[in-house]
Amino acid sequence: QLVESGGGLVKPGGSLRLSCAASGFTFSHYNMDWVRQAPGKGLEWVSSITDTSVYIYYADSVRGRFTISRDNAKNLLYLQMNGLRVEDTAVYYCARDGAELGTEFDLWGQGTLVTVSS
Amino acid sequence: DIVLTQSPLSLPVTPGEPASISCRSSQSLLHSNGYNYLDWYLQRPGQSPQLLIYLGSKRASGVPDRFTGSGSGTDFTLKISRVEAEDVGNYYCIQVLETLPSFGGGTKVEIK
Repeated sequence: QLVESGGGLVKPGGSLRLSCAASGFTFSHYNMDWVRQAPGKGLEWVSSITDTSVYIYYADSVRGRFTISRDNAKNLLYLQMNGLRVEDTAVYYCARDGAELGTEFDLWGQGTLVTVSS
Repeated sequence: DIVLTQSPLSLPVTPGEPASISCRSSQSLLHSNGYNYLDWYLQRPGQSPQLLIYLGSKRASGVPDRFTGSGSGTDFTLKISRVEAEDVGNYYCIQVLETLPSFGGGTKVEIK
């Protein structure tokens, strides 16, 4: 399973670090992603990281402000969020990429809510 | 950037009847390996999204066979052969051909 934590209320311009704890599978074998959902809105892909952290990608909306990372020894995925904006308010989900071609998100966490407001 | 357009935005359905959702892509999602890099997700009210269909037509583990994904290139369809009450929620398609995936806007399925 995947369990996110670290969400909360933060002021614009502030920082927050989300964590995603993985269990029940060999975390180090899988690419991982963050996907977010603003209140009442659709899904938006945020960032991805390969199994060994060699390749990292970001959505244009967060590039330069967010940093994805992972600790395979601790089975943890992170999302460091700096320079937060009101429009970053969302539920943030971590998701595992599938094993076949790694093109699908076959396991999701329950999400953690990030609220950016003054 | 690839843009996905889902229709309809809202779909009232009658239990036991079929339902169909369309997802159209601004560019072909057909990879050179022959697979279409298009997935479908269902997000039930208050829950996390769950994978239904990947690579255009492959049903995910545990997904009932009443869900079928079809299409190729730029036009894709998710069909529910006989809608059940548990199928209500928001359905999303996503293209995973590019290194930066993008979701469609979603289709809300509700019981009439």
